[in-house]
Amino acid sequence: AQKITQTQPGMFVQEKEAVTLDCTYDTSDQSYGLFWYKQPSSGEMIFLIYQGSYDEQNATEGRYSLNFQKARKSANLVISASQLGDSAMYFCAMLFTGGGNKLTFGTGTQLKVEL
Amino acid sequence: DAMVIQNPRYQVTQFGKPVTLSCSQTLNHNVMYWYQQKSSQAPKLLFHYYDKDFNNEADTPDNFQSRRPNTSFCFLDIRSPGLGDAAMYLCATSRDATVSNQPQHFGDGTRLSIL
Repeated sequence: AQKITQTQPGMFVQEKEAVTLDCTYDTSDQSYGLFWYKQPSSGEMIFLIYQGSYDEQNATEGRYSLNFQKARKSANLVISASQLGDSAMYFCAMLFTGGGNKLTFGTGTQLKVEL
Repeated sequence: DAMVIQNPRYQVTQFGKPVTLSCSQTLNHNVMYWYQQKSSQAPKLLFHYYDKDFNNEADTPDNFQSRRPNTSFCFLDIRSPGLGDAAMYLCATSRDATVSNQPQHFGDGTRLSIL
């Protein structure tokens, strides 16, 4: 069975600083995808970044990058130059080939960006 | 431009009174999902459609039903809402259900309250 673990229920960061949100996963599948989503207090779930299990390079999307360490089964999200609008809940999620494209979510990390 | 549209954004219904939530998409994606998300929790998959094929999660109560009359629309019907069904309901789509690199695209959600 697949499992995603996010050990940081809440994080604080100062504006313009970088922050790392942790995510570890457990799966016996070789082919899988890892995703990060942002959910502001308004409720919508916004796709941020994707990393495939066979991708050798870490994914980047603007200020978001994914620190993928396959041997350690970790997929940490790095947000550079934090902005007030980054305050939100962040979910790490995984899906695997043959699983009906079902996302397995972690419990989330609430990020608060401060002045 | 919104690609996954959920209506209404907020829904209030009475205990036991049937309610229908709607979702439409302009992405022409094959797969549509319904999630239930309770406060401070990760989304929980209720069911999904792969084209016309309905896939129910084993622990989804019978009280929850779904319809997909065409590619663009999907409905969530709650036959007799109980107080425990108050939650955010998220609709999502993805292009394919057989590969692990397809992100799911979410709507803004419908927040359901039960009186």
